[in-house]
Amino acid sequence: DGGITQSPKYLFRKEGQNVTLSCEQNLNHDAMYWYRQDPGQGLRLIYYSQIVNDFQKGDIAEGYSVSREKKESFPLTVTSAQKNPTAFYLCASSLGVADTQYFGPGTRLTVL
Amino acid sequence: KNQVEQSPQSLIILEGKNCTLQCNYTVSPFSNLRWYKQDTGRGPVSLTIMTFSENTKSNGRYTATLDADTKQSSLHITASQLSDSASYICVVFDSGNTPLVFGKGTRLSVIA
Repeated sequence: DGGITQSPKYLFRKEGQNVTLSCEQNLNHDAMYWYRQDPGQGLRLIYYSQIVNDFQKGDIAEGYSVSREKKESFPLTVTSAQKNPTAFYLCASSLGVADTQYFGPGTRLTVL
Repeated sequence: KNQVEQSPQSLIILEGKNCTLQCNYTVSPFSNLRWYKQDTGRGPVSLTIMTFSENTKSNGRYTATLDADTKQSSLHITASQLSDSASYICVVFDSGNTPLVFGKGTRLSVIA
């Protein structure tokens, strides 16, 4: 069953704690992305990776970190430095940056 | 600055009626434009992708148009159904080696 998965669907954390969101794809895509979506807002790019062991900052990278040790996986860590971490986080992948992106189901993070 | 502006911000229509969503962009150089549908709490799903040379492309009851000269695109939905209720997002790729530019979306509500 091919696709892109994110886990968990809902996540609650206390303020000041780091939290890691999972993103896995078995589509053999080179490029992967993390977006943040706030109510009534468009998607904003946090980080993206065009190839294994390489990643680039997006528009709102402060307070976030990523790794790309495997082609299939692109985890996102929300650190305590992120001022407003409560949001809906979407992961996506594509063959290359010019190709159609396929999105995961999202993780809704709530920081209490 | 590359921007994608969508209108209207929200729209309510009766089931069975048609509607048209607008997208204006300033992204340059232009490579392609995509329309995505995002159900509440889910990841976006690609509806159509249009390149510079394409004026019209259909996907079932969805028809997208592109005028690369005026930098405008529209998404026309025919004979709307309740399941069409979602946010519709216009996304533009600038042919550089960078990720996409997202619009904020139009929130469509189809009511019985």
